[in-house]
Amino acid sequence: SQQGEEDPQALSIQEGENATMNCSYKTSINNLQWYRQNSGRGLVHLILIRSNEREKHSGRLRVTLDTSKKSSSLLITASRAADTASYFCASHDQTGANNLFFGTGTRLTVIP
Amino acid sequence: ETGVTQTPRHLVMGMTNKKSLKCEQHLGHNAMYWYKQSAKKPLELMFVYSLEERVENNSVPSRFSPECPNSSHLFLHLHTLQPEDSALYLCASSPYQRGGGYGYTFGSGTRLTVV
Repeated sequence: SQQGEEDPQALSIQEGENATMNCSYKTSINNLQWYRQNSGRGLVHLILIRSNEREKHSGRLRVTLDTSKKSSSLLITASRAADTASYFCASHDQTGANNLFFGTGTRLTVIP
Repeated sequence: ETGVTQTPRHLVMGMTNKKSLKCEQHLGHNAMYWYKQSAKKPLELMFVYSLEERVENNSVPSRFSPECPNSSHLFLHLHTLQPEDSALYLCASSPYQRGGGYGYTFGSGTRLTVV
């Protein structure tokens, strides 16, 4: 299975602090993506990093990718209460199929 | 709204009922997906339609039957479900590219309860 695994499973921080979530995956990938899910809702695509990239930024988000360690991290800077959600990493493998496999998610709580 | 619309938002059905979930996208995407999200489990990819070809996950029970009449619409037909099938069912769409390369756009999901 290509499913990733996020760490930690749950994270609670104060508003204004930075939040870091990690993701490990099993096989070689073409790209890795991060998604956000508010409780009971659909997932929202945040950012995509390709296998030949090492770091990518989008607003307060910073994503890194280390293909040698098969791992990625998502950093949210200057967190806000509205960032409270579950965050998932997901990846396409290199088989050529267009299927995206998700990890188990990190539940982030930002305390006002 | 994301551009992917799922109906109904909530569904309660008995084990002997037949119902259908509907998904519609207006993004011009040519790949659509059904995912199942159960508590404390990773999202499970159920079915994929890419370029109007169906890629079926063989582990999905036959009581779930997908239908994709065109690139904008996707259905999931349900019959004789079990209580353990209760979950959030998510539809997603994306442009098709071999090996991936695009983010998925998800609908808000249908919360299914089987009684």
